[in-house]
Amino acid sequence: EMQLVESGGGLVQPGGFLKLSCAASGFTFTGCWMNWVRQAPGKGLEWVASIEEDGSANFLVDSVKGRFTVTRDNAQKSIYLHLYSLRADDTAVYYCAKNSGQSDRYSPFDHWGRGTLVSVSS
Amino acid sequence: DIVMTQSPDSLSVSVGDRATISCKSSQSLYKSNKKNYLAWYQLKSGQPPKLLVSWASVRESGVPDRFSGSGSRTEFTLTITNLQAEDVAVYSCQQYYEIPYTFGQGTKLEI
Repeated sequence: EMQLVESGGGLVQPGGFLKLSCAASGFTFTGCWMNWVRQAPGKGLEWVASIEEDGSANFLVDSVKGRFTVTRDNAQKSIYLHLYSLRADDTAVYYCAKNSGQSDRYSPFDHWGRGTLVSVSS
Repeated sequence: DIVMTQSPDSLSVSVGDRATISCKSSQSLYKSNKKNYLAWYQLKSGQPPKLLVSWASVRESGVPDRFSGSGSRTEFTLTITNLQAEDVAVYSCQQYYEIPYTFGQGTKLEI
C-alpha cells in the first residue's frame, strides 16, 4: 500500500524555522516527482514545491522563494521542506503528494499524506 | 501563472440529486498529445485529498461511476449524479499543464 506520512509541524514564532519531513513507502520512490502542497485555514489548496526524482531540479512557488527549500533523500525514501523566516500567512496544513507519472512532473497527484499543521504566531 | 476559477463557491443539494461544478482556466490546458492536463480532487476534513478524475475525464480506479469529468481546453465540469451523503466535501480542480501547478479555490458541496 502506498503511504506518505508527514511530520515536523508545530507552533513557531514569526521569523522562525521548521523542517517538515515526508516518509514514503509502498511505491518506487526514485521514479517519482514529489510535491508539497498547503492549505491555509478556510482557503483552497496551494502548491508550494516540487522536486525531481534525483533531486537535481526543484521548483518553488514565488511566495516562498528565498525562504523555503525542498530536498530529498532517496536512500531514506523521504522528502523535506525547510521553512525559514516563517510568516503568519505560512500557517497551513502542509501535505506531501506524489505525481502519478513515472518520471513525469506533468501528471496529477495520485497519493497524498494526511498533512502536518504549521502554525506561525507570537 | 494559470488561474483556475471554479463556480459556484458552494452548492446545496439533496440526496439523489445531480451536482455540476465548473472549472475554467485562464489558458488552454490541451497539449499536442490530445490530452487536457486537468484533475479533480475531493477534500474531506481530516482526510488526505483524493484524486477523482485526471486528464479531465479519466475516473480513477475505485471512484464511483456517479463521478464524471468533462470539458476541454479552458472549460471543464465535474458532475456528480445520484448524490450520496458521503459526497459532502470540497471539490477542487487543478492544472498540471505547467509549473507552478495551480488549483481552483474549491467548491463546497453541502447536502
